[in-house]
Amino acid sequence: DVKVTQSSRYLVKRTGEKVFLECVQDMDHENMFWYRQDPGLGLRLIYFSYDVKMKEKGDIPEGYSVSREKKERFSLILESASTNQTSMYLCASSFELAGGTISYEQYFGPGTRLTVT
Amino acid sequence: AQTVTQSQPEMSVQEAETVTLSCTYDTSESDYYLFWYKQPPSRQMILVIRQEAYKQQNATENRFSVNFQKAAKSFSLKISDSQLGDAAMYFCAYRRPSSSSASKIIFGSGTRLSIRP
Repeated sequence: DVKVTQSSRYLVKRTGEKVFLECVQDMDHENMFWYRQDPGLGLRLIYFSYDVKMKEKGDIPEGYSVSREKKERFSLILESASTNQTSMYLCASSFELAGGTISYEQYFGPGTRLTVT
Repeated sequence: AQTVTQSQPEMSVQEAETVTLSCTYDTSESDYYLFWYKQPPSRQMILVIRQEAYKQQNATENRFSVNFQKAAKSFSLKISDSQLGDAAMYFCAYRRPSSSSASKIIFGSGTRLSIRP
């Protein structure tokens, strides 16, 4: 079974703090993703990575950065947390098909509910 | 840009009955994938069913089936013999079958399904 884990289920931080959200997958997947989930908005892609040290911006990268130093680990960083970053954050991973196509199926972690006060 | 619309924020069904969740999407592409993902309360999101646009036959997975109408850009999910464990948020999603940033998944806003015992 694919396992994607996230470092915390619940996190409370203060405005201006630097926040690290960690995600680890154990299936040697090439691709990893960070989404935020808000009521009525579905899931929105923040950043994704298709290889170690490689990253691409998603739809809403402002205020976030990412790091992928090892294949199994993908970190989301809030440089200076703000109240509008209060949300559920979901990590996902997927494998690479032949020819460089990203697999259609993404495997999700349990989510981190972040509250910024 | 591609968009995915779920017009039913919440739905409710009696246990053992059948329910249909609606989804429409907008794209100018002819080749793509469509998905339904399920997110149970406090549990990880999982893939329920997928449909390749080039396939005319509707996908089926046990009690879950889709009604894919390509010309109408409609992709509904039918759940037969509803069970209490089907209670969840359901997301419709779209992606192009190509590599890297072009293949990111676009999610709808979700439909919360409740099951009445």
